Amino acid sequence: NAGVTQTPKFRVLKTGQSMTLLCAQDMNHEYMYWYRQDPGMGLRLIHYSVGEGTTAKGEVPDGYNVSRLKKQNFLLGLESAAPSQTSVYFCASSYSLSGRGQETQYFGPGTRLLVL
Amino acid sequence: DQQVKQNSPSLSVQEGRISILNCDYTNSMFDYFLWYKKYPAEGPTFLISISSIKDKNEDGRFTVFLNKSAKHLSLHIVPSQPGDSAVYFCAARVTGAGSYQLTFGKGTKLSVIP
Repeated sequence: NAGVTQTPKFRVLKTGQSMTLLCAQDMNHEYMYWYRQDPGMGLRLIHYSVGEGTTAKGEVPDGYNVSRLKKQNFLLGLESAAPSQTSVYFCASSYSLSGRGQETQYFGPGTRLLVL
Repeated sequence: DQQVKQNSPSLSVQEGRISILNCDYTNSMFDYFLWYKKYPAEGPTFLISISSIKDKNEDGRFTVFLNKSAKHLSLHIVPSQPGDSAVYFCAARVTGAGSYQLTFGKGTKLSVIP
């Protein structure tokens, strides 16, 4: 049981390049999330998914796209990278909500992205 | 507008003493609160949570207190150990259909001195 894994761990991009970050979870969770963390900031939600084939915008979605073609995978895409997207990206997943379900999000180890 | 605030960026405590990390929130709709712990180069890990119907939740050395009237919660670690040195994030959410998002504070870096 690997939990939540992220690929790659570290990447350097030039401005304007594109890339895709991959998140995979083996806990059969319905919900998946992409966050970014910047120095001195908390985690900010970029996009999330409540199930296979569905995605929604979070707090800071501009410049990113996502896809959830399979339940276990959640992809984050940068079509044209900008220096402002230099950050640490965390993927998370959680169980389905039910009533007053106690949602705990499980996080991956993060991807460090540097955009020059 | 920051809805979850951790006003102390850092805290240093002697080993064996109590660590108290504080968190304030502004959104009165928040009804579930969590604390996450994060080591360098790792993702956050869930530590402890509390529902708004309670004012205290305890798990071993960790206790979270909630004061709804003051919109304040705190995490107590007793006794503190060097392995507790990490960044602690407070997070909050609104329970209900269609609500899936956690709002995080900026974190407090705890250093436990041997």
